[in-house]
Amino acid sequence: DAKTTQPPSMDCAEGRAANLPCNHSTISGNEYVYWYRQIHSQGPQYIIHGLKNNETNEMASLIITEDRKSSTLILPHATLRDTAVYYCIVRVAMTGNTPLVFGKGTRLSVIA
Amino acid sequence: DVKVTQSSRYLVKRTGEKVFLECVQDMDHENMFWYRQDPGLGLRLIYFSYDVKMKEKGDIPEGYSVSREKKERFSLILESASTNQTSMYLCASSTMRGFGELFFGEGSRLTVL
Repeated sequence: DAKTTQPPSMDCAEGRAANLPCNHSTISGNEYVYWYRQIHSQGPQYIIHGLKNNETNEMASLIITEDRKSSTLILPHATLRDTAVYYCIVRVAMTGNTPLVFGKGTRLSVIA
Repeated sequence: DVKVTQSSRYLVKRTGEKVFLECVQDMDHENMFWYRQDPGLGLRLIYFSYDVKMKEKGDIPEGYSVSREKKERFSLILESASTNQTSMYLCASSTMRGFGELFFGEGSRLTVL
């Protein structure tokens, strides 16, 4: 699976959009981009995933560049409860038995 | 909603004790996983299972074993606990085709004295 690079930490004002970047320049054509988050003292929580089209669900939006070498997770109106570590993971979905490999993620702090 | 339940939120054990960490999921998922999480090291995969009685080693299986006798239950066993196994242990499950969409339990924080 391709490696990802994320900034170690970011701040965001409450009510503003939080844009979390992820670089995955070695991604291959059949690899998906997954995002998880982990709130303090809890297990990670799945947020969203995509292949090449932008995706949106009730939690967030995922924007993948046309060359697929980077992506951005957008939390449209960040709240204090969105303070967490956010993980960007790239893997081949639907095939094989290769589990997810979590990196160190980005620690997002939402500030009142 | 999928629920993954880990038997103990906090445990304190002594060096050399045998430790069982239990995990149960209620959504008939085929795949189950055990990770450990340590500061600065992130989540590391210990073992996973994609069927009853099947198991696969992850990145750090040494010092651990697992058991999956029933589909809903996946146990992590520390045969002889050591202080370097003090950690947060996280269980997760997913459907057979959903290897990327994991549902995690709340974690078990183990301290080995």
